[in-house]
Amino acid sequence: EVQLVESGGGLVQPGRSLRLSCTASGFTFGDYAMGWVRQAPGKGLEWVGFIRKKLHGGTTDYAAPVKGRFTISRDDSKNIAYLQMNSLKTEDTAVYYCRLVGPMDVWGQGTTVIVSS
Amino acid sequence: DVVMTQSHLSLPVTLGQPASISCRSSQSLVYRDGNSYLSWFQQRPGQSPRRLIFRVSNRDSGVPDRFSGSGSGTDFTLKISRVEAEDVGVYYCMQGTHWPYTFGQGTKLEIK
Repeated sequence: EVQLVESGGGLVQPGRSLRLSCTASGFTFGDYAMGWVRQAPGKGLEWVGFIRKKLHGGTTDYAAPVKGRFTISRDDSKNIAYLQMNSLKTEDTAVYYCRLVGPMDVWGQGTTVIVSS
Repeated sequence: DVVMTQSHLSLPVTLGQPASISCRSSQSLVYRDGNSYLSWFQQRPGQSPRRLIFRVSNRDSGVPDRFSGSGSGTDFTLKISRVEAEDVGVYYCMQGTHWPYTFGQGTKLEIK
């Protein structure tokens, strides 16, 4: 079964850091780009960024609100994508979904990040 | 950034009746390969989003054929031929042509 499972969410104070993980199974992880999408409470969907597959350079792109603070990486040997979030702000509070970027539509169940003092 | 504008925030529909959701982009979604990367997603209450349609009019595997997508350039439409109770949720269009990819604000489909 093709599956993505996020972990690492929680309550964190403004200015602190958090790292989310997205563990994949059921498909060849290294063949696909992986992305992160977030959803603030009661709001719509917003792309955070994505990382290309190694064959395409493994490069990353980020949305403006997180650029310079968030970093996406991947470990193809472990089938995991990461979202390192630094200098967190209250407006980063959201459910964070990882998503396969490609022909298949695969989303994780989401992990909740609450940034509050 | 490309702004995606959905025509309705809320769409009350009678069971068995058709529904249509429009989405307009602030610039053309035609990519250099000739494809338009416009997708439609459904998000049922308490669930992760699920893609219904990709590249304007292609249904994802397992999506009922009552869902269809159409459009070109900057104007796109998702149609449900006969609404069923399980279709309740929020529908988003999304452009994947220009980074940052952007979603519409969402249309909440509810049963009258």
